[in-house]
Amino acid sequence: DVKVTQSSRYLVKRTGEKVFLECVQDMDHENMFWYRQDPGLGLRLIYFSYDVKMKEKGDIPEGYSVSREKKERFSLILESASTNQTSMYLCASSFGAGVPYEQYFGPGTRLTVT
Amino acid sequence: GDSVTQMEGPVTLSEEAFLTINCTYTATGYPSLFWYVQYPGEGLQLLLKATKADDKGSNKGFEATYRKETTSFHLEKGSVQVSDSAVYFCALDTGGFKTIFGAGTRLFVKA
Repeated sequence: DVKVTQSSRYLVKRTGEKVFLECVQDMDHENMFWYRQDPGLGLRLIYFSYDVKMKEKGDIPEGYSVSREKKERFSLILESASTNQTSMYLCASSFGAGVPYEQYFGPGTRLTVT
Repeated sequence: GDSVTQMEGPVTLSEEAFLTINCTYTATGYPSLFWYVQYPGEGLQLLLKATKADDKGSNKGFEATYRKETTSFHLEKGSVQVSDSAVYFCALDTGGFKTIFGAGTRLFVKA
């Protein structure tokens, strides 16, 4: 069974902390994505990666960075967490570009910044 | 730019009622269209898809037809169940790296 796993389901951090969210996929997918999901706003793309060590900004990259050192792992980093980054974070993966493949999602990490 | 507009929720139905969730899109190319579903406490999963005009995607009793003339991809189900309660997302992909998602429509089905 295909799988995308995220390191935590729930996370509570303090303002100013550095936060790492980890995502691992076991499908050998080229592409990986980080979204945040907020009520009424749907999914907004933060960053994506189409290959190891490659990354591209999405629609809302400010305040975030990412790392992809291995094909199966994609990390989202909040350099200095702020309360407006309280949200649900979803990781996804898919096969390579050129053809619209479906995305496979992890269960999400609900992050609260206090 | 490309965009997806879907009906606002929540939608509340009784069990066995007919469901329609409207979705329209704007795209410069020839997108593939998707419906994803998010059950409580879970990530999104693909429900169905259609890759070209007049294609019909179907799964678990849900259907949607890719209508190029009306730029629509409405989701329908003839008889909903309590277990269909979830958030439904319409999405498009033109073959690049980015999938454009709608805002989501929450469905509640009452027994």
